[in-house]
Amino acid sequence: GQNIDQPTEMTATEGAIVQINCTYQTSGFNGLFWYQQHAGEAPTFLSYNVLDGLEEKGRFSSFLSRSKGYSYLLLKELQMKDSASYLCAVRDHTGKLIFGQGTTLQVKP
Amino acid sequence: DADVTQTPRNRITKTGKRIMLECSQTKGHDRMYWYRQDPGLGLRLIYYSFDVKDINKGEISDGYSVSRQAQAKFSLSLESAIPNQTALYFCATRDSRSYEQYFGPGTRLTVT
Repeated sequence: GQNIDQPTEMTATEGAIVQINCTYQTSGFNGLFWYQQHAGEAPTFLSYNVLDGLEEKGRFSSFLSRSKGYSYLLLKELQMKDSASYLCAVRDHTGKLIFGQGTTLQVKP
Repeated sequence: DADVTQTPRNRITKTGKRIMLECSQTKGHDRMYWYRQDPGLGLRLIYYSFDVKDINKGEISDGYSVSRQAQAKFSLSLESAIPNQTALYFCATRDSRSYEQYFGPGTRLTVT
């Protein structure tokens, strides 16, 4: 079956670093995505990993280990505007995206 | 102007009514998707289309139908709405040569 797990909620302090984990078991693997979604808005693309390792893009980095079925999203120098839901999604062998339930991050002053 | 638009943005309807949600895109993408989002369940795929003549069921297609009227338009219909179809609905598009999906602003549907 298809299963993607990520924590439901996290809280962090402005200026700090936070790591959001995602584990997956899917029928085939063709890449892992992270999306950011502010309340009531559309998801927006953050990162894409298809090979093992770390991809860095400004304050955000995403890591993938295919052998472990594991990814994380690392947010540095947290800002209040980073308060949002972060969605982990895996593209399966058919090309469809399978989403986790999302992690709601609250950044506090 | 937004690249992916959805109409209506908000809709309240009664049980048993037929309703259509529309999605239009100006990105020129061939692939289009309909998702619903429920609290605690994430985004789930309802239907997807790789081109005008290619329509496929997703994870939760029961109670829904779709129409791809043109490359730029993909409509989702609820033939007889029921309360558990109350959700936030998103349309998304993707170019077959790329990996990123672009989401519309969403339609909040309430069935009473």
